[in-house]
Amino acid sequence: DTGVSQDPRHKITKRGQNVTFRCDPISEHNRLYWYRQTLGQGPEFLTYFQNEAQLEKSRLLSDRFSAERPKGSFSTLEIQRTEQGDSAMYLCASSLEAAYGYTFGSGTRLTVV
Amino acid sequence: QQQVKQSPQSLIVQKGGISIINCAYENTAFDYFPWYQQFPGKGPALLIAIRPDVSEKKEGRFTISFNKSAKQFSLHIMDSQPGDSATYFCAASKEGTYKYIFGTGTRLKVLA
Repeated sequence: DTGVSQDPRHKITKRGQNVTFRCDPISEHNRLYWYRQTLGQGPEFLTYFQNEAQLEKSRLLSDRFSAERPKGSFSTLEIQRTEQGDSAMYLCASSLEAAYGYTFGSGTRLTVV
Repeated sequence: QQQVKQSPQSLIVQKGGISIINCAYENTAFDYFPWYQQFPGKGPALLIAIRPDVSEKKEGRFTISFNKSAKQFSLHIMDSQPGDSATYFCAASKEGTYKYIFGTGTRLKVLA
């Protein structure tokens, strides 16, 4: 068990470009979550998956954001046409279905210039 | 709408002292209240959690006190150490959602 892995750790992109982040959850965890954390704030829920099904999406997840979890394993979060307001830490977490406790990854810090 | 209010925003404690962080929630449907610890450049790590059927839970130097009627809960760190210096987040969740609402965080600094 190597924990939740996120890649890349840092991403700097120009406004208007598309970016994609990857999350590899703990192997036996069937729930996967994406959160966004801006400086000085707590994480804000974006979306979660149970296996490959995306069960809930926050209204924070605009049409420019899309998340997938093919085959219920790793997940990707794509942001299209990035804006400066998208600059944040994007956190992935996973958990067992019957458990409340999450395990977070170290996050991907996105900077849009 | 912020549903979990956390205070203080920052806290400085001497080594060996007690650190106390407070949170208040609005939604009475919440039934799980975790505390997370976050170091710079890292993701939050689960520290301790409580459900509303108990008023206190202790794990080592960390204790959660829960007041259901007041809709408040707090984290107490006994014998605070410099290694406890981090940002602490309270959160709340309700059964069936597994979605957390986080507080805004408390930056704790323990002086050696």
